[in-house]
Amino acid sequence: DVKVTQSSRYLVKRTGEKVFLECVQDMDHENMFWYRQDPGLGLRLIYFSYDVKMKEKGDIPEGYSVSREKKERFSLILESASTNQTSMYLCASSLWGTGSYEQYFGPGTRLTVT
Amino acid sequence: DQQVKQNSPSLSVQEGRISILNCDYTNSMFDYFLWYKKYPAEGPTFLISISSIKDKNEDGRFTVFLNKSAKHLSLHIVPSQPGDSAVYFCAASTTGANNLFFGTGTRLTVIP
Repeated sequence: DVKVTQSSRYLVKRTGEKVFLECVQDMDHENMFWYRQDPGLGLRLIYFSYDVKMKEKGDIPEGYSVSREKKERFSLILESASTNQTSMYLCASSLWGTGSYEQYFGPGTRLTVT
Repeated sequence: DQQVKQNSPSLSVQEGRISILNCDYTNSMFDYFLWYKKYPAEGPTFLISISSIKDKNEDGRFTVFLNKSAKHLSLHIVPSQPGDSAVYFCAASTTGANNLFFGTGTRLTVIP
């Protein structure tokens, strides 16, 4: 059974703190993604990675960085959290290549920055 | 620039009736389309997909229709059930791409 797990379901941080969100998948997928979901804006891609140590910017990378040291793990880092980064963060993974478009999502992390 | 659009933020339907969720796209290179369903406090789950070589795909109560000339797809749920109440996202991709472009979502409420 396909599984994507995220380190926390709910997180409260203060402005200026460094925040780490971790995602692990057990499907041996090459691709991993970080999205944020906000009301009325849908799912917006922050970063994705198609291989270990590889990363690509998505639509809204400002204020974020990522790390992928192992195939199964993809971390999202907020270098200095701000209140406008309060959101639901979703991690996903997928197989690489044509025809393998389906992404499998984790349960999400609801981050509140105060 | 939003390449995939869901212009109805919400939809309410009586139990047993048909729910029709709509999605429009602007990029003519998109050739694969997916629908995801999301419950509160959970991640989206894949529902149904369609390739651009087809105009219809059916899976139980769910049918997706694709009109390439209009750059429009729709998801039909028949009959609608209260458990279908969720946010539905459509997504699109191009051959060889590894990422999806998501719409903004439509919140479906099925009234018992």
